Amino acid sequence: GAVVSQHPSWVICKSGTSVKIECRSLDFQATTMFWYRQFPKQSLMLMATSNEGSKATYEQGVEKDKFLINHASLTLSTLTVTSAHPEDSSFYICSAKGEMASQPQHFGDGTRLSIL
Amino acid sequence: AQSVTQPDIHITVSEGASLELRCNYSYGATPYLFWYVQSPGQGLQLLLKYFSGDTLVQGIKGFEAEFKRSQSSFNLRKPSVHWSDAAEYFCAVGGYDYKLSFGAGTTVTVRA
Repeated sequence: GAVVSQHPSWVICKSGTSVKIECRSLDFQATTMFWYRQFPKQSLMLMATSNEGSKATYEQGVEKDKFLINHASLTLSTLTVTSAHPEDSSFYICSAKGEMASQPQHFGDGTRLSIL
Repeated sequence: AQSVTQPDIHITVSEGASLELRCNYSYGATPYLFWYVQSPGQGLQLLLKYFSGDTLVQGIKGFEAEFKRSQSSFNLRKPSVHWSDAAEYFCAVGGYDYKLSFGAGTTVTVRA
């Protein structure tokens, strides 16, 4: 089956630093990638949708200057949490999808971000 | 707007017993429907999907789901659960823009 790799799986950093999370589709071309945030014991909240070569589309209430998304190739998207603060601590999950409508989203294993 | 309701927050089932997880959706057109499973600290794994055609969909790990348009439901079933089925299960609905709306999830506990 389709494989999506997300890295790092866990990161701890000091408040004020920026953190980059990578999402790679290993065996298919991901024309669309999605970034989600998940709070403990809760469902996934869509943050943004990115199409290869285009600017990301952010959901209402998501700060685009705080969460920078780049989708420069058909196999790689990155999420950079800029000037991270403790309230940005969360579980971030990416997913990737091919161009055909019948292709579902395939998810990475998530990144646990802890800001001290 | 699309939305998903999973009425059961937590279900406990004995190993070997059958399991049914409920999912109701709201969508203006023919939906794309999905069931995903999540183990603690992990991403989501696709169990099965419905796009069109046969309303009874077979998935991995012995799961199946039935799309009932008249009831706006897409319930997930497994005839005999294994201890390894203990996890969080999410139902999701998507449309032409490929965005998914997830339900709140159902936690499944399997007792010996």
